[in-house]
Amino acid sequence: GAGVSQSPRYKVAKRGQDVALRCDPISGHVSLFWYQQALGQGPEFLTYFQNEAQLDKSGLPSDRFFAERPEGSVSTLKIQRTQQEDSAVYLCASSLFDLAGSYEQYFGPGTRLTVT
Amino acid sequence: KQEVTQIPAALSVPEGENLVLNCSFTDSAIYNLQWFRQDPGKGLTSLLLIQSSQREQTSGRLNASLDKSSGRSTLYIAASQPGDSATYLCAVFSTGGKLIFGQGTELSVKP
Repeated sequence: GAGVSQSPRYKVAKRGQDVALRCDPISGHVSLFWYQQALGQGPEFLTYFQNEAQLDKSGLPSDRFFAERPEGSVSTLKIQRTQQEDSAVYLCASSLFDLAGSYEQYFGPGTRLTVT
Repeated sequence: KQEVTQIPAALSVPEGENLVLNCSFTDSAIYNLQWFRQDPGKGLTSLLLIQSSQREQTSGRLNASLDKSSGRSTLYIAASQPGDSATYLCAVFSTGGKLIFGQGTELSVKP
């Protein structure tokens, strides 16, 4: 079946603009994760959804970052008033089961955000 | 706080060599560990998932081991090929299911 998809693949924003990044997880996957990957670094956790419930948002770097998954499938990561330090690749991952970190996560291709 | 470290940061080998990538983590109370491959400009491809109760997993030319007591995992690649050139990431599952990643090992296999 189809894997995790993300759109857009590339986004250039001027500093101060708002952006919205979309993630379509694998159908039927309960868990959805967002990660941020700076150049030359490993991904870092941002937030986690179990169905439509956002259970962990401890990794969001500031209140300019907001994520939602209103119907328990597609998720959107929104960044308000973008700053240059927000430039990174934003990765979405989904997993079949919930909790406990026991199940394999499948990643999308990512959205590369460049803030000028 | 869980920290994951990968050594070396970069590695260049001639085609055909067997090689080992290292991953260490500070908190041995992990659930599972997952190895990924990342090609330039692409997302992450899962290679192997080792359950916390397992000591190793194999897939083709890849073998990953896990020693929770010492906080270490290794990824062994046999008979390396130029197509293996990529960045390899190790990640441990933390509470709540999130992955804690190392910084990766950039592998280059020369023909």
